[in-house]
Amino acid sequence: NAGVTQTPKFQVLKTGQSMTLQCAQDMNHNSMYWYRQDPGMGLRLIYYSASEGTTDKGEVPNGYNVSRLNKREFSLRLESAAPSQTSVYFCASSEYLLEQYFGPGTRLTVT
Amino acid sequence: AQSVTQLGSHVSVSEGALVLLRCNYSSSVPPYLFWYVQYPNQGLQLLLKYTSAATLVKGINGFEAEFKKSETSFHLTKPSAHMSDAAEYFCAVSLNSGGYQKVTFGTGTKLQVIP
Repeated sequence: NAGVTQTPKFQVLKTGQSMTLQCAQDMNHNSMYWYRQDPGMGLRLIYYSASEGTTDKGEVPNGYNVSRLNKREFSLRLESAAPSQTSVYFCASSEYLLEQYFGPGTRLTVT
Repeated sequence: AQSVTQLGSHVSVSEGALVLLRCNYSSSVPPYLFWYVQYPNQGLQLLLKYTSAATLVKGINGFEAEFKKSETSFHLTKPSAHMSDAAEYFCAVSLNSGGYQKVTFGTGTKLQVIP
């Protein structure tokens, strides 16, 4: 089992460019999450999907959109990147209320 | 609203000494509680979890944590630190809020192990 996979691992964008971060899990989990991690701030939830076809905003959703394409895949899109979106992005999956399984992360720099 | 507080953003211990990382939570309903570890340039990995069974929970790599409802605490301990324990540790709470899952992470504690 690959667990949770994320692509790309690294990305540099110019302000105003768009991109999509991809995430897939092979554990048949219903719940999937996108977080951003910034120094001293822990993990902050961007969006959450409780099941295929549903998505909900988390703590910091502004500037992002998501798509739960199917049970396996949950993508995060930045429509117009800003320097404040420079961060490390983690995708995770879980069963309801239980422990989360994290991907290796995407390091995004917006210049 | 739920919250998680980790006391001390940085903790240093000598190799072989006791590791104690503190986590306090607030929650209006019984939570599930987790400790995760993050090594440099990696994602988070589960160390241990409390899901309303035994209050003393044992995890991987010799770590354990005790759920104390009266103190709203879930502190992480290890009797003897090893150099490989140097990492960042996150406490998290998960609960049912109006039919939805809410997960909140603490801001993390970086553990330094001194030879």
